[in-house]
Amino acid sequence: EPEVTQTPSHQVTQMGQEVILRCVPISNHLYFYWYRQILGQKVEFLVSFYNNEISEKSEIFDDQFSVERPDGSNFTLKIRSTKLEDSAMYFCASRDTGPGAFFGQGTRLTVV
Amino acid sequence: GEDVEQSLFLSVREGDSSVINCTYTDSSSTYLYWYKQEPGAGLQLLTYIFSNMDMKQDQRLTVLLNKKDKHLSLRIADTQTGDSAIYFCAERGGGYNKLIFGAGTRLAVHP
Repeated sequence: EPEVTQTPSHQVTQMGQEVILRCVPISNHLYFYWYRQILGQKVEFLVSFYNNEISEKSEIFDDQFSVERPDGSNFTLKIRSTKLEDSAMYFCASRDTGPGAFFGQGTRLTVV
Repeated sequence: GEDVEQSLFLSVREGDSSVINCTYTDSSSTYLYWYKQEPGAGLQLLTYIFSNMDMKQDQRLTVLLNKKDKHLSLRIADTQTGDSAIYFCAERGGGYNKLIFGAGTRLAVHP
């Protein structure tokens, strides 16, 4: 069964460093998303991406964040200068024209 | 703004039915979802319901939607230990792509 794949599963980075979280959405899906879940808190929407551009972003998704679909298969989330409060589980999701969004296993980001 | 609320914990005996409840505020929700998260894993889409439906059944899962009260429930029949997980309710508003999640209900199944 097709699935969304995220790498790495766990990333530890020093405060102020840049990180890139990678996702391979399900082939032929059109809509791509990043969400995050801070430990013990709700899953929060960060950004949606369609037709090679951001279609919606939350207040969390400020200038330190960016997304890119560099080729036909990868979808990346870059955090430019990480802060301690960026520590969270980051989930990538994708969907086709149907209503169901399929999530990856997540990348646990730890900023020290 | 949009909000989704769930009770945080539910404990049931193996073989009994589980009912997980959710309320939401966005009256323009088009779809409502249930996701399952097992320890250390991602979010698995269990089922979803379109807002003009009031019930959907899929094997052991029954989703009930009361649009007037903005109340969604997930019933799991014959609950098994493998059903132990966190269950997230989510809604998708009209005209938007994003999902708004509840905090999740931790289901514990005991013998």
